[in-house]
Amino acid sequence: DAKTTQPTSMDCAEGRAANLPCNHSTISGNEYVYWYRQIHSQGPQYIIHGLKNNETNEMASLIITEDRKSSTLILPHATLRDTAVYYCIVRVAGGNAGNMLTFGGGTRLMVKP
Amino acid sequence: GAVVSQHPSRVICKSGTSVKIECRSLDFQATTMFWYRQFPKQSLMLMATSNEGSKATYEQGVEKDKFLINHASLTLSTLTVTSAHPEDSSFYICSASLSSGSGEQFFGPGTRLTVL
Repeated sequence: DAKTTQPTSMDCAEGRAANLPCNHSTISGNEYVYWYRQIHSQGPQYIIHGLKNNETNEMASLIITEDRKSSTLILPHATLRDTAVYYCIVRVAGGNAGNMLTFGGGTRLMVKP
Repeated sequence: GAVVSQHPSRVICKSGTSVKIECRSLDFQATTMFWYRQFPKQSLMLMATSNEGSKATYEQGVEKDKFLINHASLTLSTLTVTSAHPEDSSFYICSASLSSGSGEQFFGPGTRLTVL
């Protein structure tokens, strides 16, 4: 899996958009960008993933640059419950061998009132 | 959505005893399950990959005789920490992968192991 680089921590005001960046300059053509988050003392939770097009679901939006070397996860209206560590992971989708996730340090997002 | 459960959620045991942790996929079949370990303020580290009906594949540095993994069915994998020591105290998390589709992983809530 390609490595990713994320800021160690970020703060965000409650109700504002949280924009979490991720660099993945060595991503391969068949690798997807996945985002998970981990709230304290819980298992990771899947947020969203994409290949090259921007994606949106009920939790977040994922913006991938045209060259695919970086992406941004957007939480449109952050709440206190969004305080968590956010992990950006790139990997090949599908197939048992490609299912393995390699977690980096992630970004610790603190949403403040 | 796909739900993965773990049992127990928290366990405290004496040094030298063995502890079994169960991981179940509740509403889907999982060909592959993964076991992770997470120490305080650190990221998740993959311990082993468990495929139903075959031996688990362990990551480098993980002792297979100490961390016994059994994946007897498509919905259940167990991790047994044998002869536990205080340094084995950690947060153990499993995940299960759908047998088809994109192979998305769904994580359990984790098991907090404390070895006295």
